[in-house]
Amino acid sequence: DIVMTQTPLSSPVTLGQPASISCRSSQSLVHSDGNTYLSWLQQRPGQPPRLLIYKISNRFSGVPDTFSGSGAGTDFTLKISRVEAEDVGVYYCVQTTQYPFTFGGGTKVEIK
Amino acid sequence: EVLLVESGGGLVQPGGSLRLSCVGSGFTFSTFWMNWVRQAPGKGLEWVANLQPDGSQTYYVDSLKGRFTISRDNTRDSLYLQMNDLRAEDTAVYYCARGVAPHNTFDIWGRGTTVTVSS
Repeated sequence: DIVMTQTPLSSPVTLGQPASISCRSSQSLVHSDGNTYLSWLQQRPGQPPRLLIYKISNRFSGVPDTFSGSGAGTDFTLKISRVEAEDVGVYYCVQTTQYPFTFGGGTKVEIK
Repeated sequence: EVLLVESGGGLVQPGGSLRLSCVGSGFTFSTFWMNWVRQAPGKGLEWVANLQPDGSQTYYVDSLKGRFTISRDNTRDSLYLQMNDLRAEDTAVYYCARGVAPHNTFDIWGRGTTVTVSS
């Protein structure tokens, strides 16, 4: 199984400042079709997960442009350019390149 | 509006069974992969299983094979998860999530249904 490792576990951020989350996979997420099926999800307190980014860097419908994704192969990053109060929650990376699909352990973003 | 609504959770004794349901609306249910994902209390997300739009192909996380069965009824826009021989470690919120082809990007999630396995 592909192991997804996220860092940091927790990220205290000042409002209006940037935040960055790293996700590393134990093997390449490049599929034989040439695509990389790495997504980022946001889970606000008491809410279900919500898709933010898919295929490394594509923002899902309705996601503000303060969120961006980058990376390749085994190393990926989610960046929030300016953290707002509504961004508080846990962020997960997930790979759907290979079965079984696997999630990172999550990174908690909180306001300092 | 695209919606997924889960139901069927509850309290069950160890060794018991439960059948979860998920109804989709606002989209053509029969054309999408569908997934179950669970989250134990205070823990992260774990993918459980999924199946093709026509239900012909299913995939499971190895640790649950043989106890859990995923199925669907496209005439009812419904997804199911039959859970047998339940254990305390199966206690979790169970979410259904739509999967966008070709590789199941989880684009829409339900609010989840809670399963508690306890005597």
